[in-house]
Amino acid sequence: GNSVTQMEGPVTLSEEAFLTINCTYTATGYPSLFWYVQYPGEGLQLLLKATKADDKGSNKGFEATYRKETTSFHLEKGSVQVSDSAVYFCALGRSQGNLIFGKGTKLSVKP
Amino acid sequence: DVKVTQSSRYLVKRTGEKVFLECVQDMDHENMFWYRQDPGLGLRLIYFSYDVKMKEKGDIPEGYSVSREKKERFSLILESASTNQTSMYLCASSPGTSGSFTDTQYFGPGTRLTVL
Repeated sequence: GNSVTQMEGPVTLSEEAFLTINCTYTATGYPSLFWYVQYPGEGLQLLLKATKADDKGSNKGFEATYRKETTSFHLEKGSVQVSDSAVYFCALGRSQGNLIFGKGTKLSVKP
Repeated sequence: DVKVTQSSRYLVKRTGEKVFLECVQDMDHENMFWYRQDPGLGLRLIYFSYDVKMKEKGDIPEGYSVSREKKERFSLILESASTNQTSMYLCASSPGTSGSFTDTQYFGPGTRLTVL
């Protein structure tokens, strides 16, 4: 069946450090892939998405590339800020707009 | 901006009570979803609906039911609340276009339910 595995946290970085959060998936067919972010006390919001192999999603300095050969969708940012502290969820699209989420990775960025 | 609102941010109920969680979206979306979020488990889909009066079970429907009488409103019902239903409940909606595999889901702020 479909599943998403993402790097477990928490991850603690200093401001301006490079961020990678790993995400791999198992799926039949060619699902869409998403990264959602949840800031403290809020619901989730879409960070970026990619709908086919080799697509790159990007937003707010974050990037992720849909790699079919490695079934991965790793999230990267070149220089994190304190305001990026949040929980990040990788997700895979199923039929009827359903999503399967990974367990989430908590990121803390220290000044 | 899409807005998804949930009736309560915090709720405390007693074991055995019937609990209603309400969710309203204002973007005429076809699809609506209920998830629960638990530490270390991420988000798990309870129920979803792709049309008025339609509902489908998600991955963990046991102990829950739903109601969608109007397009904009999707209710989650705990028929007899139990302590293992203490959790954060998140509602979401999505357009439900023909490309629904690629739809963005829009989330409400969540309801933190405690069952004593």
